[in-house]
Amino acid sequence: NAGVTQTPKFQVLKTGQSMTLQCAQDMNHNSMYWYRQDPGMGLRLIYYSASEGTTDKGEVPNGYNVSRLNKREFSLRLESAAPSQTSVYFCASSPTQGAYGYTFGSGTRLTVV
Amino acid sequence: AQSVTQLGSHVSVSEGALVLLRCNYSSSVPPYLFWYVQYPNQGLQLLLKYTSAATLVKGINGFEAEFKKSETSFHLTKPSAHMSDAAEYFCAVSDSGGYQKVTFGTGTKLQVIP
Repeated sequence: NAGVTQTPKFQVLKTGQSMTLQCAQDMNHNSMYWYRQDPGMGLRLIYYSASEGTTDKGEVPNGYNVSRLNKREFSLRLESAAPSQTSVYFCASSPTQGAYGYTFGSGTRLTVV
Repeated sequence: AQSVTQLGSHVSVSEGALVLLRCNYSSSVPPYLFWYVQYPNQGLQLLLKYTSAATLVKGINGFEAEFKKSETSFHLTKPSAHMSDAAEYFCAVSDSGGYQKVTFGTGTKLQVIP
């Protein structure tokens, strides 16, 4: 019962480096999401994919790109990391949009120095 | 635009005491409402959800929440706190129509005192 799997769990980047956060779900969900969590700010939506083949910006998309590789996988890319992107990143999925509640991965803790 | 407000970023209760975590929402259409729990170094886990059926919703681990439209509230309660309930709790809202984008509150950390 894997659910939503995120890799890596921890990462330290230097300013200007790039990296891709991977997310895969095995529940045959249509919708997938990327959030960032910062102290005192709750979760903020970066990008989402309502269904395979579609992606849309969320609340804080600047500095990020995403790819919905197939129905299972949804990756988040930081092209040129900045210290402001230091955060915990969560991937989530749901059968369809919103009403069912989300299943979350265990997160990626990213530090940009 | 939809939003949620969680009153109190930190709540402390004694073991065995009532747990009450407050959540108020605003939404232009009938909402869907959720409570999630996050244990340290883990992702969020769905506790319960309201999707326009019964106004009193029962969730996992003995938690429940009541949807009160007149008060625009969806407070989370548990009659008797256990040490294992110490975690951060997030209220969330989505509109019942259109895209159904989910907006999360800023969270309430629950401390349970032995």
